[in-house]
Amino acid sequence: LAKTTQPISMDSYEGQEVNITCSHNNIATNDYITWYQQFPSQGPRFIIQGYKTKVTNEVASLFIPADRKSSTLSLPRVSLSDTAVYYCLVAAATGTASKLTFGTGTRLQVTL
Amino acid sequence: DGGITQSPKYLFRKEGQNVTLSCEQNLNHDAMYWYRQDPGQGLRLIYYSQIVNDFQKGDIAEGYSVSREKKESFPLTVTSAQKNPTAFYLCASSMSGRTSTDTQYFGPGTRLTVL
Repeated sequence: LAKTTQPISMDSYEGQEVNITCSHNNIATNDYITWYQQFPSQGPRFIIQGYKTKVTNEVASLFIPADRKSSTLSLPRVSLSDTAVYYCLVAAATGTASKLTFGTGTRLQVTL
Repeated sequence: DGGITQSPKYLFRKEGQNVTLSCEQNLNHDAMYWYRQDPGQGLRLIYYSQIVNDFQKGDIAEGYSVSREKKESFPLTVTSAQKNPTAFYLCASSMSGRTSTDTQYFGPGTRLTVL
């Protein structure tokens, strides 16, 4: 299973763009990259998923370079309500969901 | 509203007692999961089920038991054999569970405190 490394914490001001990078040096050919968001005392929520290049939805963008050894979650113009823990997960589409590993994530703190 | 519910939100039990946490979903998902989260930590998989009447151990199944008699329900029992049961318990479901790219939908969680 591909191991992921994320910063433990990040701080940002409201209105700024936030980029959280995840390293996954031993990512396999079949692996996808998925990001979840978790607010305190709640369950995680799916944000975005991608395989290569760039994926964008109404919440975030996911940038994946050609070598796929890292990925960057980009949150445009964050607000106080984006304060949460963000998890980067890497797993093969052919594997069962039991192979997903939620590490300690990145704790994002947004302030005024 | 479709979703996944867990009850109760907070649960207190005395040491040595078994306790059952409820998880129900009306998303018509085949797969369901139980995770444990300790303060400042990530989620650890306890048990998962890809289909009714079948379930598999996750990474930390010791001291826990589950059943999957109905598609909608996946209760978790924390037994007295679980050495450190105080934690935040999260239930999730996904469409099939046969692929790890399936989106998992999480419930609000149950915070269990053993006194």
